[in-house]
Amino acid sequence: NAGVTQTPKFQVLKTGQSMTLQCAQDMNHEYMSWYRQDPGMGLRLIHYSVGAGITDQGEVPNGYNVSRSTTEDFPLRLLSAAPSQTSVYFCASWTANTGELFFGEGSRLTVL
Amino acid sequence: DAKTTQPNSMESNEEEPVHLPCNHSTISGTDYIHWYRQLPSQGPEYVIHGLTSNVNNRMASLAIAEDRKSSTLILHRATLRDAAVYYCILRDDGSSGGSNYKLTFGKGTLLTVNP
Repeated sequence: NAGVTQTPKFQVLKTGQSMTLQCAQDMNHEYMSWYRQDPGMGLRLIHYSVGAGITDQGEVPNGYNVSRSTTEDFPLRLLSAAPSQTSVYFCASWTANTGELFFGEGSRLTVL
Repeated sequence: DAKTTQPNSMESNEEEPVHLPCNHSTISGTDYIHWYRQLPSQGPEYVIHGLTSNVNNRMASLAIAEDRKSSTLILHRATLRDAAVYYCILRDDGSSGGSNYKLTFGKGTLLTVNP
């Protein structure tokens, strides 16, 4: 199993540009989340989804959009990138059966 | 949401046991205690979880206080590969209508293992 796959691994954007971070899981997990991690900080929840077609906001949702059209995919969209969004982004998925989160390897985003 | 408190950092010597504490004094009866660790430049990985009883797996042991207000992750013989940030988080099982999908991580404990 590939688990949770994130693309791209690295991205540099200019302020105001838009982009989408992709996240895909092949474990048929109902739950998926996006976190961001800033230097020396823990992970902060951006958005999460409890199933296809259902998403909700986490702790730091401003500046980000998500959608969940399929169980497998949970893309994170930055509509107008700002330097404050420079961070490492992690996608995670899990199932209620075990509650164990599986994380992707992360996407390092730099906004100039 | 119930919060957890962990020391910012701890240090251990290789091949010695390590006890990583976590306080969760506002834990509810439906909260599971989860531990994750994050190796440098990687995403977090699951270590262990439990509800009331002590738990063992191939990676570690989890000791849960009788009142469940604290827990301890035990690495029986630390290796250099165990150097990581360890996160203790609470996950509601959802049976009482709680949010079992809003999992929040604090800053964790940075474990340094000396050779």
